Amino acid sequence: SQTIHQWPATLVQPVGSPLSLECTVEGTSNPNLYWYRQAAGRGLQLLFYSVGIGQISSEVPQNLSASRPQDRQFILSSKKLLLSDSGFYLCAWRNTGSETQYFGPGTRLLVL
Amino acid sequence: GNSVTQMEGPVTLSEEAFLTINCTYTATGYPSLFWYVQYPGEGLQLLLKATKADDKGSNKGFEATYRKETTSFHLEKGSVQVSDSAVYFCALRSVKTSYDKVIFGPGTSLSVIP
Repeated sequence: SQTIHQWPATLVQPVGSPLSLECTVEGTSNPNLYWYRQAAGRGLQLLFYSVGIGQISSEVPQNLSASRPQDRQFILSSKKLLLSDSGFYLCAWRNTGSETQYFGPGTRLLVL
Repeated sequence: GNSVTQMEGPVTLSEEAFLTINCTYTATGYPSLFWYVQYPGEGLQLLLKATKADDKGSNKGFEATYRKETTSFHLEKGSVQVSDSAVYFCALRSVKTSYDKVIFGPGTSLSVIP
């Protein structure tokens, strides 16, 4: 069966510090991968998606970037965090041809 | 463009009450429709889905029917439990977008009290 992991689960970082959040998927090959952000009390915003290694599409201009160095690994990064980067970050995957996205447990980021 | 609108709540119900969470959508083509649930502190889980008009998705006592004529996908449950307290997201995936994208509604927070 397929599983998706995210780490860390919780992170507190000062403004201006770098960020690296990791997402890995097991039990499938060449999944489509997604990063979402959920700000407090708000819905989900799609940040990035990837259809293959090294292929990243950005939904909105922002302070973040994403990379996919391996087939089942998706990384969300920032060089300098802003207060507005605080939120709940969710990674998701979907198999090509499937209707459904499956979500990881999320990383809660607090920027102080 | 494609969008999803749902009642934002919060919704507070007593145990065993009837639940309806309204969801309407705007989309080109023939989208697939989903309900996801997010329990406190967790990621999203797929609750149910429907891929074509008049399909009914169901799971864990929840139901939703894809109504193309009213562009709606309302979530219902006949008797809610305390364990149903969560945030519920309506979402669509349109097969005619130039790339794969799922669009989520803002979420509806549900609290069920004993």
